[in-house]
Amino acid sequence: DAGVIQSPRHEVTEMGQEVTLRCKPISGHNSLFWYRQTMMRGLELLIYFNNNVPIDDSGMPEDRFSAKMPNASFSTLKIQPSEPRDSAVYFCASSPQDSLGYTFGSGTRLTVV
Amino acid sequence: KQEVTQIPAALSVPEGENLVLNCSFTDSAIYNLQWFRQDPGKGLTSLLLIQSSQREQTSGRLNASLDKSSGRSTLYIAASQPGDSATYLCAVIGGNTPLVFGKGTRLSVIA
Repeated sequence: DAGVIQSPRHEVTEMGQEVTLRCKPISGHNSLFWYRQTMMRGLELLIYFNNNVPIDDSGMPEDRFSAKMPNASFSTLKIQPSEPRDSAVYFCASSPQDSLGYTFGSGTRLTVV
Repeated sequence: KQEVTQIPAALSVPEGENLVLNCSFTDSAIYNLQWFRQDPGKGLTSLLLIQSSQREQTSGRLNASLDKSSGRSTLYIAASQPGDSATYLCAVIGGNTPLVFGKGTRLSVIA
């Protein structure tokens, strides 16, 4: 298995632009998670899905953030409009339904200038 | 709300030393605890997963223990090597709460 695949690896964008991050979970994993990592706050959960259904989005910082999971093999995290304070590394992770361990992607390093 | 604390925040040791990294969590009603390693600029690599019914797990030179009642876990690294230098993250899953992370311990092993 190729693991959790995220794209792009790096994204540099100007303030106000729309940013879309993509994630392909491990086949057969029923849960998908989006985390954000910053130096100040560490790893924070943004949103997670079970069987493609959003369960908890209380970690999404603002309405500028949205996430979708149209099918079991694909999810997106969108920021519109982006701001410099959104600069961080965004990780996607997946796990089997029984939560026997999470597997993380390599992350997307987002820089908003 | 579950909170995970890792002590120390940073640690520097000479090569060959045995060392212990500490993790504590506030809510003992957890399903499992997972230790990760993160190299600079990289993603998270799972090292060990301890289910709530277990007390420890071992992989090579790594041994992780779990004491649910006291809300503590330790990661023991034997005979440390420069290649062990990384940030080590502890995370717990409990109830309806997905993985909650500590801020990590940044380990430097000096040759």
